[in-house]
Amino acid sequence: EAGVAQSPRYKIIEKRQSVAFWCNPISGHATLYWYQQILGQGPKLLIQFQNNGVVDDSQLPKDRFSAERLKGVDSTLKIQPAKLEDSAVYLCASSLGPSGSLYEQYFGPGTRLTVT
Amino acid sequence: KQEVTQIPAALSVPEGENLVLNCSFTDSAIYNLQWFRQDPGKGLTSLLLIQSSQREQTSGRLNASLDKSSGRSTLYIAASQPGDSATYLCAVTQGGSEKLVFGKGTKLTVNP
Repeated sequence: EAGVAQSPRYKIIEKRQSVAFWCNPISGHATLYWYQQILGQGPKLLIQFQNNGVVDDSQLPKDRFSAERLKGVDSTLKIQPAKLEDSAVYLCASSLGPSGSLYEQYFGPGTRLTVT
Repeated sequence: KQEVTQIPAALSVPEGENLVLNCSFTDSAIYNLQWFRQDPGKGLTSLLLIQSSQREQTSGRLNASLDKSSGRSTLYIAASQPGDSATYLCAVTQGGSEKLVFGKGTKLTVNP
Protein backbone atom coordinates (compact mmCIF):
# COMPACT_ATOMS: atom_id res chain seq x y z
CA GLU A 1 0.00 0.00 0.00
CA ALA A 2 1.46 3.36 -1.02
CA GLY A 3 1.91 5.92 1.73
CA VAL A 4 1.15 9.62 1.84
CA ALA A 5 3.05 11.46 -0.88
CA GLN A 6 4.22 15.06 -0.64
CA SER A 7 6.11 17.39 -2.93
CA PRO A 8 8.38 19.18 -3.05
CA ARG A 9 10.57 17.82 -0.26
CA TYR A 10 12.48 21.06 0.15
CA LYS A 11 11.79 24.66 -0.81
CA ILE A 12 13.74 27.87 -0.25
CA ILE A 13 12.05 31.19 -0.99
CA GLU A 14 12.48 34.82 -0.09
CA LYS A 15 10.02 36.57 2.19
CA ARG A 16 6.96 37.98 0.46
CA GLN A 17 7.15 35.31 -2.25
CA SER A 18 4.46 32.65 -2.64
CA VAL A 19 4.81 28.87 -2.38
CA ALA A 20 2.57 25.84 -2.80
CA PHE A 21 2.80 22.32 -1.42
CA TRP A 22 1.07 19.22 -2.74
CA CYS A 23 -0.20 16.13 -0.94
CA ASN A 24 -1.63 12.85 -2.18
CA PRO A 25 -3.17 10.82 0.66
CA ILE A 26 -3.46 7.07 1.00
CA SER A 27 -6.08 5.73 -1.37
CA GLY A 28 -9.50 5.55 0.25
CA HIS A 29 -8.66 7.87 3.12
CA ALA A 30 -11.46 10.37 3.57
CA THR A 31 -9.72 12.69 6.01
CA LEU A 32 -6.66 14.78 5.16
CA TYR A 33 -4.67 17.01 7.50
CA TRP A 34 -1.99 19.66 7.10
CA TYR A 35 0.32 20.24 10.06
CA GLN A 36 3.04 22.82 10.59
CA GLN A 37 6.11 21.77 12.59
CA ILE A 38 8.47 24.52 13.66
CA LEU A 39 11.96 23.41 14.68
CA GLY A 40 11.96 22.00 18.21
CA GLN A 41 8.16 21.88 18.43
CA GLY A 42 5.53 19.24 17.91
CA PRO A 43 3.35 19.46 14.80
CA LYS A 44 0.39 21.85 14.95
CA LEU A 45 -2.78 21.28 12.91
CA LEU A 46 -3.41 23.92 10.28
CA ILE A 47 -6.41 22.47 8.50
CA GLN A 48 -8.44 19.26 8.36
CA PHE A 49 -10.54 18.12 5.40
CA GLN A 50 -13.13 15.38 5.31
CA ASN A 51 -13.57 14.48 1.67
CA ASN A 52 -13.52 17.95 0.07
CA GLY A 53 -15.06 19.85 2.99
CA VAL A 54 -13.19 21.74 5.71
CA VAL A 55 -13.70 20.33 9.21
CA ASP A 56 -11.27 22.50 11.19
CA ASP A 57 -9.22 25.48 10.04
CA SER A 58 -9.20 27.36 13.33
CA GLN A 59 -5.38 27.59 13.45
CA LEU A 60 -4.85 28.46 9.79
CA PRO A 61 -3.56 32.05 9.29
CA LYS A 62 -6.16 32.82 6.68
CA ASP A 63 -4.66 36.17 5.69
CA ARG A 64 -1.76 34.35 4.05
CA PHE A 65 -2.47 30.61 4.04
CA SER A 66 -5.02 28.81 1.90
CA ALA A 67 -5.73 25.17 1.19
CA GLU A 68 -8.00 23.19 -1.03
CA ARG A 69 -8.87 19.57 -1.62
CA LEU A 70 -10.55 19.32 -4.96
CA LYS A 71 -12.48 16.11 -5.69
CA GLY A 72 -11.74 14.89 -2.18
CA VAL A 73 -8.35 13.38 -3.03
CA ASP A 74 -5.20 15.50 -3.55
CA SER A 75 -4.68 18.70 -1.63
CA THR A 76 -2.60 21.83 -2.00
CA LEU A 77 -1.49 24.25 0.70
CA LYS A 78 -0.44 27.74 -0.37
CA ILE A 79 1.33 30.56 1.43
CA GLN A 80 1.16 34.05 -0.04
CA PRO A 81 3.07 36.15 0.95
CA ALA A 82 5.54 34.15 3.02
CA LYS A 83 7.08 35.48 6.21
CA LEU A 84 10.29 34.46 7.95
CA GLU A 85 8.28 32.77 10.72
CA ASP A 86 6.72 30.41 8.15
CA SER A 87 10.00 28.50 8.00
CA ALA A 88 8.97 25.02 9.13
CA VAL A 89 8.24 21.49 7.99
CA TYR A 90 4.76 21.11 6.52
CA LEU A 91 3.38 17.64 7.11
CA CYS A 92 0.42 16.07 5.39
CA ALA A 93 -1.42 13.17 7.00
CA SER A 94 -4.46 11.09 6.16
CA SER A 95 -6.85 8.74 7.92
CA LEU A 96 -9.87 6.63 7.07
CA GLY A 97 -12.03 9.17 8.86
CA PRO A 98 -15.35 8.28 10.47
CA SER A 99 -15.40 4.88 8.76
CA GLY A 100 -12.25 3.93 10.65
CA SER A 101 -12.84 3.56 14.34
CA LEU A 102 -9.32 4.34 15.51
CA TYR A 103 -8.75 7.62 13.66
CA GLU A 104 -5.15 6.51 13.16
CA GLN A 105 -3.23 9.06 11.10
CA TYR A 106 -0.50 8.27 8.59
CA PHE A 107 2.05 10.94 7.77
CA GLY A 108 3.96 11.87 4.64
CA PRO A 109 7.68 12.78 4.59
CA GLY A 110 6.98 16.50 4.84
CA THR A 111 8.12 19.58 2.95
CA ARG A 112 10.87 21.62 4.59
CA LEU A 113 10.32 25.33 3.85
CA THR A 114 13.02 27.91 4.45
CA VAL A 115 12.06 31.57 4.09
CA THR A 116 15.03 33.96 3.78
CA LYS B 1 -7.46 23.52 25.85
CA GLN B 2 -5.52 20.26 25.70
CA GLU B 3 -1.80 20.52 26.40
CA VAL B 4 0.69 17.68 26.04
CA THR B 5 4.04 17.67 27.84
CA GLN B 6 6.94 15.30 27.29
CA ILE B 7 9.75 14.75 29.74
CA PRO B 8 12.68 14.66 29.34
CA ALA B 9 13.30 16.87 26.29
CA ALA B 10 16.47 14.92 25.52
CA LEU B 11 17.94 11.64 26.71
CA SER B 12 21.27 9.97 26.03
CA VAL B 13 21.83 6.34 27.03
CA PRO B 14 24.34 3.58 26.33
CA GLU B 15 23.33 0.74 24.04
CA GLY B 16 21.44 -2.08 25.75
CA GLU B 17 19.81 0.04 28.41
CA ASN B 18 16.07 -0.10 29.09
CA LEU B 19 14.46 3.34 29.13
CA VAL B 20 11.18 5.14 29.73
CA LEU B 21 9.82 8.21 27.99
CA ASN B 22 7.05 10.16 29.66
CA CYS B 23 4.02 11.98 28.30
CA SER B 24 1.35 13.87 30.22
CA PHE B 25 -1.85 15.59 29.05
CA THR B 26 -4.11 18.06 30.81
CA ASP B 27 -7.56 16.92 29.64
CA SER B 28 -8.30 13.27 30.37
CA ALA B 29 -11.25 13.16 27.92
CA ILE B 30 -9.14 11.69 25.14
CA TYR B 31 -10.21 9.29 22.40
CA ASN B 32 -6.80 7.74 21.83
CA LEU B 33 -3.09 8.34 22.29
CA GLN B 34 -0.37 7.73 19.70
CA TRP B 35 3.38 7.48 19.99
CA PHE B 36 5.37 8.48 16.91
CA ARG B 37 8.99 8.34 15.91
CA GLN B 38 10.59 11.08 13.82
CA ASP B 39 14.01 10.72 12.23
CA PRO B 40 15.91 13.88 11.21
CA GLY B 41 14.46 15.37 8.02
CA LYS B 42 11.74 12.74 7.87
CA GLY B 43 8.04 12.50 8.53
CA LEU B 44 6.37 10.76 11.45
CA THR B 45 6.15 7.00 11.81
CA SER B 46 3.38 5.69 14.04
CA LEU B 47 4.72 3.29 16.67
CA LEU B 48 1.76 2.50 18.88
CA LEU B 49 -1.84 3.63 19.26
CA ILE B 50 -3.70 3.13 22.54
CA GLN B 51 -7.44 3.57 22.64
CA SER B 52 -8.86 5.31 25.70
CA SER B 53 -10.37 2.03 26.91
CA GLN B 54 -7.00 0.26 26.82
CA ARG B 55 -4.20 0.24 29.39
CA GLU B 56 -1.27 -0.70 27.18
CA GLN B 57 -0.03 -1.76 23.76
CA THR B 58 3.09 -3.68 22.81
CA SER B 59 5.07 -3.95 19.61
CA GLY B 60 8.38 -5.78 19.69
CA ARG B 61 10.70 -4.02 22.15
CA LEU B 62 8.21 -1.19 22.66
CA ASN B 63 5.50 -1.04 25.30
CA ALA B 64 3.21 1.93 25.81
CA SER B 65 0.95 2.34 28.81
CA LEU B 66 -1.93 4.72 29.37
CA ASP B 67 -3.40 6.00 32.64
CA LYS B 68 -6.20 8.21 31.41
CA SER B 69 -7.44 9.28 34.82
CA SER B 70 -4.05 10.70 35.78
CA GLY B 71 -3.32 12.04 32.29
CA ARG B 72 -0.15 10.05 31.74
CA SER B 73 1.42 7.69 29.25
CA THR B 74 4.82 6.05 29.17
CA LEU B 75 6.78 4.51 26.32
CA TYR B 76 9.12 1.76 27.46
CA ILE B 77 11.95 0.74 25.13
CA ALA B 78 13.75 -2.47 26.04
CA ALA B 79 17.36 -3.23 25.18
CA SER B 80 17.92 0.04 23.32
CA GLN B 81 19.94 0.07 20.08
CA PRO B 82 21.71 2.88 18.19
CA GLY B 83 19.01 2.56 15.53
CA ASP B 84 16.47 3.71 18.13
CA SER B 85 18.03 7.18 18.07
CA ALA B 86 15.30 9.59 16.98
CA THR B 87 12.76 12.03 18.37
CA TYR B 88 9.73 10.40 19.97
CA LEU B 89 6.46 12.31 19.91
CA CYS B 90 3.31 11.70 21.92
CA ALA B 91 -0.07 12.92 20.64
CA VAL B 92 -3.69 12.66 21.76
CA THR B 93 -7.05 12.99 20.05
CA GLN B 94 -10.11 14.31 21.84
CA GLY B 95 -13.51 12.69 21.67
CA GLY B 96 -15.47 14.13 18.76
CA SER B 97 -12.38 15.41 16.97
CA GLU B 98 -9.69 13.68 14.94
CA LYS B 99 -7.21 16.47 15.54
CA LEU B 100 -3.91 15.32 17.06
CA VAL B 101 -2.41 17.50 19.80
CA PHE B 102 1.31 16.86 20.08
CA GLY B 103 3.95 17.25 22.72
CA LYS B 104 7.32 18.75 21.79
CA GLY B 105 9.00 15.36 21.78
CA THR B 106 11.91 13.62 23.47
CA LYS B 107 15.15 13.41 21.50
CA LEU B 108 16.73 10.03 22.20
CA THR B 109 20.37 9.21 21.51
CA VAL B 110 21.57 5.64 22.01
CA ASN B 111 25.36 5.46 22.08
CA PRO B 112 27.18 2.34 20.81
